[in-house]
Amino acid sequence: KAGVTQTPRYLIKTRGQQVTLSCSPISGHRSVSWYQQTPGQGLQFLFEYFSETQRNKGNFPGRFSGRQFSNSRSEMNVSTLELGDSALYLCASSPDPGGSWNVIQYFGAGTRLSVL
Amino acid sequence: DQQVKQNSPSLSVQEGRISILNCDYTNSMFDYFLWYKKYPAEGPTFLISISSIKDKNEDGRFTVFLNKSAKHLSLHIVPSQPGDSAVYFCAASYSGSARQLTFGSGTQLTVLP
Repeated sequence: KAGVTQTPRYLIKTRGQQVTLSCSPISGHRSVSWYQQTPGQGLQFLFEYFSETQRNKGNFPGRFSGRQFSNSRSEMNVSTLELGDSALYLCASSPDPGGSWNVIQYFGAGTRLSVL
Repeated sequence: DQQVKQNSPSLSVQEGRISILNCDYTNSMFDYFLWYKKYPAEGPTFLISISSIKDKNEDGRFTVFLNKSAKHLSLHIVPSQPGDSAVYFCAASYSGSARQLTFGSGTQLTVLP
């Protein structure tokens, strides 16, 4: 089975621009979560989608948004980029909901975003 | 407020010896705990997990111990191998928010040949 695929792997943007990152989950996985990793804050949860609906959201400003398509693929968008948005953005997928064993998330390699 | 803490940023161990990585948590609602390993330029890779109804879970060279009263978990790697050198993250979740993982800051493990 193919793993979680994130595109692009690297992005360079300037302040004020917006960016869209893409994630294809493992086949059959219906839940997709996004995380931001920075040296200062570590790995932080952004949001989680299931059946095209956002089920859970972390403590990030409204500039961070996402969506999920009917095939479970997901995108996240960051508008009005700030220097502090420079980070590794990780997507993770997990199987059907329900049951503590389904907490396990499988991560992609991430998209490294640099904001200049 | 850091709900999951890994107080040791780094750990060096000789090949063949035991590696013990520690993690503390403050939120008593957490009921599922996971360990991930991360190499540079890769995403975290799931290693092993444990439910709060257990106090130990083993998978090959990896064993996770959970002490709920102390809100402490540890990952034991025996024997340690140079390929185990990576950053190890512990993560926690609770039933009400099952797919939101709260991560510790990570411990860089270096296994010396």
